[in-house]
Amino acid sequence: DTAVSQTPKYLVTQMGNDKSIKCEQNLGHDTMYWYKQDSKKFLKIMFSYNNKELIINETVPNRFSPKSPDKAHLNLHINSLELGDSAVYFCASSFVPVGSTGELFFGEGSRLTVL
Amino acid sequence: AQTVTQSQPEMSVQEAETVTLSCTYDTSESDYYLFWYKQPPSRQMILVIRQEAYKQQNATENRFSVNFQKAAKSFSLKISDSQLGDAAMYFCAYRGGSNYQLIWGAGTKLIIKP
Repeated sequence: DTAVSQTPKYLVTQMGNDKSIKCEQNLGHDTMYWYKQDSKKFLKIMFSYNNKELIINETVPNRFSPKSPDKAHLNLHINSLELGDSAVYFCASSFVPVGSTGELFFGEGSRLTVL
Repeated sequence: AQTVTQSQPEMSVQEAETVTLSCTYDTSESDYYLFWYKQPPSRQMILVIRQEAYKQQNATENRFSVNFQKAAKSFSLKISDSQLGDAAMYFCAYRGGSNYQLIWGAGTKLIIKP
């Protein structure tokens, strides 16, 4: 019974295309995140939503647009894909920090390859 | 701004031996949390151990323990009786008391030699 699930796990596409990655969590968490992990394994926060409200919006190209239809889902849509977008994208969730350690629970990652 | 530094890009250890991964951080906050995450080749990030800054006792989870030195802002991870399944990237992370965001170190690749 997967706690944080992402689809698809692998995505190969051409430059210029538009693609989406979906994420769902069944942990009852309030907060969800998108991270990008580059080829050197460095983790970079992209977005975070708390109860469908955007709370972290780091400096990423506006080709990246998150959407949270409800607090259990956070999807990532990428327009006009570029070579530099190739990476592993991780979805994660946590309880709100107050009264908890705020540890993250991660999905398995979605490896995006742009040709 | 808070920062997290992992100064060892790669470490190797013989199976069954003990290894320590280092992590230092910089903060002016007194209330915060520290984490070690493991990322095996399968990619999924898994929490290994957590430490609340207000707790003086070092956290322990089976073969994994930390050496938390608050004054020195150091949070090292000790893995005892290393096993082949411990081979992974290990990330140290920091979260402030009321912050949603984790600050991540660059990671240490741990190699286990059979």
